[in-house]
Amino acid sequence: DAKTTQPPSMDCAEGRAANLPCNHSTISGNEYVYWYRQIHSQGPQYIIHGLKNNETNEMASLIITEDRKSSTLILPHATLRDTAVYYCIVSLAYSGAGSYQLTFGKGTKLSVIP
Amino acid sequence: DVKVTQSSRYLVKRTGEKVFLECVQDMDHENMFWYRQDPGLGLRLIYFSYDVKMKEKGDIPEGYSVSREKKERFSLILESASTNQTSMYLCASLSGTGGLEAFFGQGTRLTVV
Repeated sequence: DAKTTQPPSMDCAEGRAANLPCNHSTISGNEYVYWYRQIHSQGPQYIIHGLKNNETNEMASLIITEDRKSSTLILPHATLRDTAVYYCIVSLAYSGAGSYQLTFGKGTKLSVIP
Repeated sequence: DVKVTQSSRYLVKRTGEKVFLECVQDMDHENMFWYRQDPGLGLRLIYFSYDVKMKEKGDIPEGYSVSREKKERFSLILESASTNQTSMYLCASLSGTGGLEAFFGQGTRLTVV
């Protein structure tokens, strides 16, 4: 069963904000929302994560709805280098020990258009 | 910088060969993972390991095995390579701090002919 739903593809004009949605209607109270991206021919790269508050770092902002059933990753000023597949993952926090199964869905292919 | 290093970037093997894909990480991470990635199918988890000599099946373990004799090294083994195992293989290790931040290798593009 998929825990997250993302659109398969999106376009964004260069310099504009890219808003990538993710639905996770079955998220439980102690599960986090994590975002990764994969630029062509590279391994995925961690971007950001959050529990219920909005989060911002040097790469992106994460907006989580109050009911936590959906979230949006925002790239404020998209560049051509942001063209990638973006993955949204819902998971318990990993404590650093013990078994943990990290799984990815198919993600959203974001194309930044010049 | 955390490094996850995969032994080969490109590999060509013949059907029926035994193939070893090696992955080494230098950050003392407990958890390591092997994925394959095919067009339209996303990243699919093959096997993962949370400790030396411990392994668990992911979503598509058939035709593969793994070995974790040392904490830093996680090997994926194709016992008898087949053409449907032609794919991009990605190794990752998982940090226990700072959230669910996994670090990936550059991938091995395996072609079985």
